[in-house]
Amino acid sequence: DQQVKQNSPSLSVQEGRISILNCDYTNSMFDYFLWYKKYPAEGPTFLISISSIKDKNEDGRFTVFLNKSAKHLSLHIVPSQPGDSAVYFCAASSNAGGTSYGKLTFGQGTILTVHP
Amino acid sequence: DAGVTQSPTHLIKTRGQQVTLRCSPISGHKSVSWYQQVLGQGPQFIFQYYEKEERGRGNFPDRFSARQFPNYSSELNVNALLLGDSALYLCASSLGTYTYEQYFGPGTRLTVT
Repeated sequence: DQQVKQNSPSLSVQEGRISILNCDYTNSMFDYFLWYKKYPAEGPTFLISISSIKDKNEDGRFTVFLNKSAKHLSLHIVPSQPGDSAVYFCAASSNAGGTSYGKLTFGQGTILTVHP
Repeated sequence: DAGVTQSPTHLIKTRGQQVTLRCSPISGHKSVSWYQQVLGQGPQFIFQYYEKEERGRGNFPDRFSARQFPNYSSELNVNALLLGDSALYLCASSLGTYTYEQYFGPGTRLTVT
C-alpha cells in the first residue's frame, strides 16, 4: 500500500530552467508534507515543508505547492543548478489518532539531473 | 554543531547473526526515529523513540528492536538476520515527538551474506 507516490523515476533539466518534481498521496489524514534531497552515500537532507493549512511555501529557489483536493504536491526549483542533481523524496506525516509526527511516509524518489 | 551521527558506516554480517546499530542525535534533540532504505525505494519507518519510550512502530517483525538512552542516543538491534535485511539504515532526530522536521544521519550500510 503505497500511500505516497512519486510517479516519475527521473527528471532531466537544463541549468537555469525550472525543475518541477511531483508527488501524490492517498491518505487524507496526512497533514504535513516535507521534501528531502539525497546525495549518494549521505543521509536525506531536509529541504522545505508545508502544512496542510497552506497551499504554498517558499524558501529561496525552492517552492512547494499543495493541492489538497487533488492530494498532490509539487516542488519547484528555480533556477536549477548542477549542484541540485540528487534524488528527491517527498514525505508525509500525520498526527491523526494522537500518534506523533515521528513517522514519515516517503515516496520512492525522483532522480533529478541538471545539465550545465 | 554536529549533525546526527551513526556507527558503524558499513557492516557485513552472515545470515542468522545479530547486529547493533548506533545513533547520536543532534544536541538538544530528544526524539530519534529509525528507517530502513532498500535500493530504489524511499526510507521505511521502523521505530520512533522519545524520552526513552517507544512512540511508534512500523510494519517490521519482532526481530527488530530498539532503545533510547538517557543521553537520547539510540541503538537498533536486528536478530536472526535475513538476506532481505540488507539495506541502508537511517537514523533521524527531531526536537520532540510533535516536531515535524526530522534530520537524518549518513546511515549504516548493512550487507547480509
